[in-house]
Amino acid sequence: DTAVSQTPKYLVTQMGNDKSIKCEQNLGHDTMYWYKQDSKKFLKIMFSYNNKELIINETVPNRFSPKSPDKAHLNLHINSLELGDSAVYFCASSPSHRNYEQYFGPGTRLTVT
Amino acid sequence: AQSVSQHNHHVILSEAASLELGCNYSYGGTVNLFWYVQYPGQHLQLLLKYFSGDPLVKGIKGFEAEFIKSKFSFNLRKPSVQWSDTAEYFCAVKGGGATNKLIFGTGTLLAVQP
Repeated sequence: DTAVSQTPKYLVTQMGNDKSIKCEQNLGHDTMYWYKQDSKKFLKIMFSYNNKELIINETVPNRFSPKSPDKAHLNLHINSLELGDSAVYFCASSPSHRNYEQYFGPGTRLTVT
Repeated sequence: AQSVSQHNHHVILSEAASLELGCNYSYGGTVNLFWYVQYPGQHLQLLLKYFSGDPLVKGIKGFEAEFIKSKFSFNLRKPSVQWSDTAEYFCAVKGGGATNKLIFGTGTLLAVQP
């Protein structure tokens, strides 16, 4: 009965590769998010989709491309991976894009070597 | 721009000690405030939230927080901590705007010694 799930949990890859992280929520929420948590545990929002529409797009390199095939899924594709992309990526969801608490997934630890 | 400051980066307490973690934000308008907890190796979980009404908010696991608008603060408290409270604690604010964009503080690592 996992609410927000992410795959994979761990991802180790080499510089220059392209990789994807998947997120799914079964809460019936309209809004989903991607956050990046760096090595100092600082959490920063990257993107948000509401009903498959991009509504938040922070200053993120365009090597990062989110895709929302439906409102229950939000995937993150990263091209030409760099060492600095190593982090934990969290997906989250909320009932809408208004004032609601966000529910977080378990995170994907990406290590770029 | 909105920002959140957590001044205590690392707190070490003995079991049964009282806890207060500071959180200050910078935004002059209406805010929604949150405290999230991240246990070792786990995802973020909501401890408590403030949207409106009573500025003293009670959350799960005996935690509470007080919103003091004049001080732009939302400090987290617990009267008696347990070893199982060892975790990273994040304060977050959602200010104005049409989106549910959360700004997080840098987190406070709490270590409770048995």
